[in-house]
Amino acid sequence: AQSVTQPDIHITVSEGASLELRCNYSYGATPYLFWYVQSPGQGLQLLLKYFSGDTLVQGIKGFEAEFKRSQSSFNLRKPSVHWSDAAEYFCAVLKAAGNKLTFGGGTRVLVKP
Amino acid sequence: NAGVTQTPKFQVLKTGQSMTLQCAQDMNHNSMYWYRQDPGMGLRLIYYSASEGTTDKGEVPNGYNVSRLNKREFSLRLESAAPSQTSVYFCASREPGRGMVETQYFGPGTRLLVL
Repeated sequence: AQSVTQPDIHITVSEGASLELRCNYSYGATPYLFWYVQSPGQGLQLLLKYFSGDTLVQGIKGFEAEFKRSQSSFNLRKPSVHWSDAAEYFCAVLKAAGNKLTFGGGTRVLVKP
Repeated sequence: NAGVTQTPKFQVLKTGQSMTLQCAQDMNHNSMYWYRQDPGMGLRLIYYSASEGTTDKGEVPNGYNVSRLNKREFSLRLESAAPSQTSVYFCASREPGRGMVETQYFGPGTRLLVL
């Protein structure tokens, strides 16, 4: 069975500071990994995805994520957060059969002025 | 190009009432999905449709039915709503990609409260 764990339920960060959101997965095969962002009252928006190749992937809004197979992790980072980055972030892994996404529980990010 | 649209945005039901959540996409995607989102649990798949005319159960299908009316539309029906179905419901459609690598696009969600 596959699962996705986001250990941090809430993170508070000051505007301009760096941000790192953790994601760990368990999956028997090569994972396809995603990060989504959900702003208050909105649907999910894809930030970035990893399928293969370079383990450091760049996404929209200045986000990047690094795939580390040895640690079963796919952590999301941003060097300098903006107030508009306050949102909930979801990590997800793709199960190839049926193309079903399994989501982590989410991390809510609060940005302090 | 509106992407994935959902109606209604909000709904309040009494226990035992029925309703249908509508979803449509204009991206010519074959596959469509219904998820529910509950605090601390991420999104869980209710049903999905790999193509027009086919539907399959996801992780939490009990209490729901779906209809893939045509390629564009995929509806979710609650025949007899229960308070446990209070949630935010998201529809998604899948972009066909290279090989098995594909991406889902999400609608804005429907917030449902069952009293």
